[in-house]
Amino acid sequence: AQSVTQPDIHITVSEGASLELRCNYSYGATPYLFWYVQSPGQGLQLLLKYFSGDTLVQGIKGFEAEFKRSQSSFNLRKPSVHWSDAAEYFCAVGAGGQNFVFGPGTRLSVLP
Amino acid sequence: KAGVTQTPRYLIKTRGQQVTLSCSPISGHRSVSWYQQTPGQGLQFLFEYFSETQRNKGNFPGRFSGRQFSNSRSEMNVSTLELGDSALYLCASSRHQGASDEKLFFGSGTQLSVL
Repeated sequence: AQSVTQPDIHITVSEGASLELRCNYSYGATPYLFWYVQSPGQGLQLLLKYFSGDTLVQGIKGFEAEFKRSQSSFNLRKPSVHWSDAAEYFCAVGAGGQNFVFGPGTRLSVLP
Repeated sequence: KAGVTQTPRYLIKTRGQQVTLSCSPISGHRSVSWYQQTPGQGLQFLFEYFSETQRNKGNFPGRFSGRQFSNSRSEMNVSTLELGDSALYLCASSRHQGASDEKLFFGSGTQLSVL
């Protein structure tokens, strides 16, 4: 069965610092991978997605993620964090149809 | 273009009652899926509807049901509410059905509290 782990429950970074959020997945075939962001009281917004091809994908708001098949990882990065990036981040893998398996989420806090 | 609209935004019910949540997808989107979000279990897939037919279902008891209307609007129903049903229920829509590479557009959710 598909599964997604996000080892970090909560991360705190200073504004302007770089960010990396970790995601590991378990999936038998070539995965469809996604990163979503959720602000308090809001639904989820897609940041970026990977299906195939270039393993470094660019997303919105300056985020990027790198797919590494050998490590079953899809880590999210941003070179310089802004205070508005404080939110919860979810990694997900497509499990067939609209059934996406989500990781437990990483809550990001940003210090001024 | 309006986003995914979920109503009501908040609900308070007592154990044993039933509840109906509503979701209006983005115009032109024909697929609607529902997710339950709780602090303990995270986001869990409930079901997916396309063309008024349930296409995919997660591992939830039969107390959780849904339907989709001809205008693609969807409702989900939970009968005989339990305390553990307290959660944020998220609806998501997409243009097509059955494609895991499809981008989902999420609503802001309905926060259900069961007392």
